[in-house]
Amino acid sequence: GENVEQHPSTLSVQEGDSAVIKCTYSDSASNYFPWYKQELGKGPQLIIDIRSNVGEKKDQRIAVTLNKTAKHFSLHITETQPEDSAVYFCAASRGGTASKLTFGTGTRLQVTL
Amino acid sequence: EPEVTQTPSHQVTQMGQEVILRCVPISNHLYFYWYRQILGQKVEFLVSFYNNEISEKSEIFDDQFSVERPDGSNFTLKIRSTKLEDSAMYFCASSAISGNTIYFGEGSWLTVV
Repeated sequence: GENVEQHPSTLSVQEGDSAVIKCTYSDSASNYFPWYKQELGKGPQLIIDIRSNVGEKKDQRIAVTLNKTAKHFSLHITETQPEDSAVYFCAASRGGTASKLTFGTGTRLQVTL
Repeated sequence: EPEVTQTPSHQVTQMGQEVILRCVPISNHLYFYWYRQILGQKVEFLVSFYNNEISEKSEIFDDQFSVERPDGSNFTLKIRSTKLEDSAMYFCASSAISGNTIYFGEGSWLTVV
């Protein structure tokens, strides 16, 4: 089955700096790659996603890049703010009927003032 | 914005007892899921459900687990005889179309003592 690796496990940046979180996946049939933000005690909240027919997607301060050949994808957050502090999970899915997500191990992002 | 709602938010139960976790998926969604997250770990897939039957289940989803959509709006997860290792946050999720965005609820925190 699919295996998703995520790095780093913790990341501390100063407010205004950029943060990059990287994930690799093993299943070449995976074609959908969402990123979720999880605040303490809450459910995962989708922040951006990308499908395998595109290489990059941007939404304001957040961008995701995908390299299907190398089987890795990355989350980029620019101009970080204290409210960006949370745990971020990448995930991968094959699509298809009721497709399941395989999650990475999470990155705890701390944005300091 | 439509959301997935879950009850209870927190339940404490004795080992061996039955537990039912309830979810109301987003109203026009057709695909339903349960995931769990043991404290400090990644989110893990349990089961997906479509057209009133299980589409896929993980190794975690053994004979002690069952799911049901009893009335066209609720989606439940039953654990027949809870074990200590069932202590986790259980997330319900739903999606409108297969392979499309999956939305998560806030979770039900289950503590087995």
